[in-house]
Amino acid sequence: DAGVTQSPTHLIKTRGQHVTLRCSPISGHKSVSWYQQVLGQGPQFIFQYYEKEERGRGNFPDRFSARQFPNYSSELNVNALLLGDSALYLCASSLAGFNYGYTFGSGTRLTVV
Amino acid sequence: GEDVEQSLFLSVREGDSSVINCTYTDSSSTYLYWYKQEPGAGLQLLTYIFSNMDMKQDQRLTVLLNKKDKHLSLRIADTQTGDSAIYFCAETPGTYKYIFGTGTRLKVLA
Repeated sequence: DAGVTQSPTHLIKTRGQHVTLRCSPISGHKSVSWYQQVLGQGPQFIFQYYEKEERGRGNFPDRFSARQFPNYSSELNVNALLLGDSALYLCASSLAGFNYGYTFGSGTRLTVV
Repeated sequence: GEDVEQSLFLSVREGDSSVINCTYTDSSSTYLYWYKQEPGAGLQLLTYIFSNMDMKQDQRLTVLLNKKDKHLSLRIADTQTGDSAIYFCAETPGTYKYIFGTGTRLKVLA
């Protein structure tokens, strides 16, 4: 069975540019969450979507946005990139809520230069 | 605040037990989790404990929960070199997000 898949695996962007990261959850999982992990730190919550609706948003600026599609895949968009946006972006999925643990993808490593 | 605290480093010899500690902040957290992260990889769910439990054992892993002190620990028995990784605890205030700790880097010496 395929796990949570994220694309691309690595990405280099210039300050001020826009980026779109993609995530396909495990088949049957309806909830997708996004986390940002800066080097040397724990992951920080960005968004959670369930059944295509935003259920929660972390303390991130409006430059960050996301959506979930009818097939439950998801996109994370970041506008006007800053150097500080360089991080590993992790997508996680679960059947419904998080009670039995999220399954994480391997992440997209974003470098902003 | 939302600061889940962990010690940064732990070094043990192969075959010994490892104990990784975590202090969380939100007493309303229903579930508490332990995740493992190997270099260049995502997070792997190791185990979780429901807040009304004191202990949970799963093969080589034992989780202890002290709700009064908001203290969570993960014991790995017979630690192997393959256990070398970063370990994160996570609490669940509310219903939709995890708050992760800073991570403990476990190094297993052969």
